[in-house]
Amino acid sequence: GEDVEQSLFLSVREGDSSVINCTYTDSSSTYLYWYKQEPGAGLQLLTYIFSNMDMKQDQRLTVLLNKKDKHLSLRIADTQTGDSAIYFCAENIGNTPLVFGKGTRLSVIA
Amino acid sequence: DADVTQTPRNRITKTGKRIMLECSQTKGHDRMYWYRQDPGLGLRLIYYSFDVKDINKGEISDGYSVSRQAQAKFSLSLESAIPNQTALYFCATSDPTGSDTQYFGPGTRLTVL
Repeated sequence: GEDVEQSLFLSVREGDSSVINCTYTDSSSTYLYWYKQEPGAGLQLLTYIFSNMDMKQDQRLTVLLNKKDKHLSLRIADTQTGDSAIYFCAENIGNTPLVFGKGTRLSVIA
Repeated sequence: DADVTQTPRNRITKTGKRIMLECSQTKGHDRMYWYRQDPGLGLRLIYYSFDVKDINKGEISDGYSVSRQAQAKFSLSLESAIPNQTALYFCATSDPTGSDTQYFGPGTRLTVL
């Protein structure tokens, strides 16, 4: 069955880069997503990557996809206190609802 | 204006009461979803609907029911609320033409005493 796994916590210093990792099990994924949830809010789409891509960059965000290892990562450059949030990885497997990981709580230390 | 709205935003109720959480969207999406979020457990899918005539159970549908009144409206009911249904509830929508990205509402915090 499908499963998406992430580490639960990550702590970084302000100004450093953050790397949040995710592994998934279904090789037929078409799209993979990163969502951000700030305290008291719903999930907000950060970015997504199509499965035939290796990398996608959007300002401070870089997504890397390794299909062979079924590994997805999100790198946040120059991490700021406003980046403190829970980050969810999700995969799209055909005509079914997205499968979400449990989320990684990023804490940014000033 | 928000594309996906949920009412109420907060609700406190007692064990055994029936309650309804409502979700409306202006995105014109056919697909709608209900999730609950508990600390450390991530998001768990309760029910989903791919169009007005389609209702499907998710991972944790026991104790819940849904109604898809129109393309824009999807409501979640707890027929007889119990304390372990205390959680944050999210509605989401998506459009399968393209990336099928899900767009989330702001959530409803439900407390069952």
